[in-house]
Amino acid sequence: DVKVTQSSRYLVKRTGEKVFLECVQDMDHENMFWYRQDPGLGLRLIYFSYDVKMKEKGDIPEGYSVSREKKERFSLILESASTNQTSMYLCASSKRRGTSGSLAKNIQYFGAGTRLSVL
Amino acid sequence: AQSVTQLDSHVSVSEGTPVLLRCNYSSSYSPSLFWYVQHPNKGLQLLLKYTSAATLVKGINGFEAEFKKSETSFHLTKPSAHMSDAAEYFCVVSDPVNTGNQFYFGTGTSLTVIP
Repeated sequence: DVKVTQSSRYLVKRTGEKVFLECVQDMDHENMFWYRQDPGLGLRLIYFSYDVKMKEKGDIPEGYSVSREKKERFSLILESASTNQTSMYLCASSKRRGTSGSLAKNIQYFGAGTRLSVL
Repeated sequence: AQSVTQLDSHVSVSEGTPVLLRCNYSSSYSPSLFWYVQHPNKGLQLLLKYTSAATLVKGINGFEAEFKKSETSFHLTKPSAHMSDAAEYFCVVSDPVNTGNQFYFGTGTSLTVIP
């Protein structure tokens, strides 16, 4: 069974703290994604990575950074947390299109989410 | 450019009646299209996907969706709503040929099922 695991379900942090959100997948996927989810806005892409040490900015990268040192792990970092970063954060992974051999395998798998509150 | 529009932010149906959640997309090529469901405090679960095979796609829990290229639509339907269907639903488009590996999400439709 495929699995994307986010290290925390709930986090409470203070303004200015450095925050790490961890995500691990066991499917040998090349691509990994970080989204934030806010009511009425759906999912917005923060960053994605298509290979180890590779990253691309998504739609809302400001205030965030990422790290992909190993294929299975993708970390989201809030350098100095602010109250407007209170949100649900979702990690996802997928096979890279070129290596999947089939569009049918072009599917994202999601973790359960981390609900972050910044006070 | 790719985008997804979910035409209704909220839909309410009575238990046992049909469900229709609407989705329109724009894509410069033949896209892959998905519907995901999210129950409260859970991650997203794949309901069904269209990837250039049959235009009528059957998914889990009795849901299905029809890809209509002429209308650029991918509406989600179910003949008879169940209380357990109450959740948030997201329509997603991916255009792997032109944009590589990105996925584009609609803003979601919240489905309420009335007993």
